[in-house]
Amino acid sequence: ETGVTQSPTHLIKTRGQQVTLRCSSQSGHNTVSWYQQALGQGPQFIFQYYREEENGRGNFPPRFSGLQFPNYSSELNVNALELDDSALYLCASSLQGSYNSPLHFGNGTRLTVT
Amino acid sequence: GQSLEQPSEVTAVEGAIVQINCTYQTSGFYGLSWYQQHDGGAPTFLSYNGLDGLEETGRFSSFLSRSDSYGYLLLQELQMKDSASYFCAVRDNYGQNFVFGPGTRLSVLP
Repeated sequence: ETGVTQSPTHLIKTRGQQVTLRCSSQSGHNTVSWYQQALGQGPQFIFQYYREEENGRGNFPPRFSGLQFPNYSSELNVNALELDDSALYLCASSLQGSYNSPLHFGNGTRLTVT
Repeated sequence: GQSLEQPSEVTAVEGAIVQINCTYQTSGFYGLSWYQQHDGGAPTFLSYNGLDGLEETGRFSSFLSRSDSYGYLLLQELQMKDSASYFCAVRDNYGQNFVFGPGTRLSVLP
């Protein structure tokens, strides 16, 4: 069973730039969610994708966008980066349709915006 | 809106028992989960409570009281490797996304 993998592990960008983060879901999972985790805080829900469509969104501006591909892998895109976007970005896969289906997280991408 | 509260830090010694509490305010409720996260690592799932009562998984147990909007994670026979941050999380009313608490940092001392 292949777990959730994310790339890159670390990234440094300049304010105003754009970034793309990538995630491969755990095999057998059809739903991918993205979370932002600031230092010392809990993960904050950004959005979720199911069947290649956005299936829920947290309180994040439109410059945060995503994609899910037929193989259930996913991308998170952030435009016009701001200093406050510096955080750990976590991808999590799960199985749609089961209330107790846990989230399986990747190790995250540490984004630093300077 | 939804919010969760949990203590920011807990310290205990090896072999002891520790309880981490979580209270929540939600418009809907589809269960309370607990996740463990070591420094620099990914959150990993520990337990889920959909109904009132106690769920036991090895050294870890989790409890839920829906009438009190309260739950806790109980860690027994603490080991050094249990030093980590612990997050409670409620499934959002409108989908499968989770709302996470701020986390409790557990330090286990020798």
